[in-house]
Amino acid sequence: GAVVSQHPSRVICKSGTSVKIECRSLDFQATTMFWYRQFPKQSLMLMATSNEGSKATYEQGVEKDKFLINHASLTLSTLTVTSAHPEDSSFYICSARGPDTLYEQYFGPGTRLTVT
Amino acid sequence: KQEVTQIPAALSVPEGENLVLNCSFTDSAIYNLQWFRQDPGKGLTSLLLIQSSQREQTSGRLNASLDKSSGRSTLYIAASQPGDSATYLCAVILYQGGSEKLVFGKGTKLTVNP
Repeated sequence: GAVVSQHPSRVICKSGTSVKIECRSLDFQATTMFWYRQFPKQSLMLMATSNEGSKATYEQGVEKDKFLINHASLTLSTLTVTSAHPEDSSFYICSARGPDTLYEQYFGPGTRLTVT
Repeated sequence: KQEVTQIPAALSVPEGENLVLNCSFTDSAIYNLQWFRQDPGKGLTSLLLIQSSQREQTSGRLNASLDKSSGRSTLYIAASQPGDSATYLCAVILYQGGSEKLVFGKGTKLTVNP
């Protein structure tokens, strides 16, 4: 149980375009979802926390107008990177938790974004 | 600001060895601590979660200890196998403003040679 999927696993986009990444909880209701970013040889860094039906809470230094997060249902959250730049190239990982997971976070497999 | 440090950054051992991975954190006011495994280009697999009131957790060949007062945790892997090769991440779990937050170290990249 407690499986989290992400789509796509890899995406390449051109500078200036937008790209959407999906995070789904497959077998539990995710009342909270988290988005992380990981640069090569660096720690995973929390970008934002979203509760179902509410606006996301962004960490300091993360631009909310650039990284749009929607958590409209208990099984789906999306991260849209708007006007992507090469420096946005990174590994994006989501996690989810809910009552069924005893509030422990379960992580998705990640999405590798490359902006050319 | 909470900072998590993992030493060593990389470790290469022959198969069968017992080994210890270290994690230290600067602020002892943590909620829990969790060890993860990350395979190249993949997501995270939770290995062990230690609640702040606990001193250790065990799962199979893995044993994790926690000393909150000194800001340290160790992950002990017994009888290492090539399949254990991965990056091991330590994360402290904070509870701030009604919300949970994980702060990760940079990881220890483990290679177990056959």
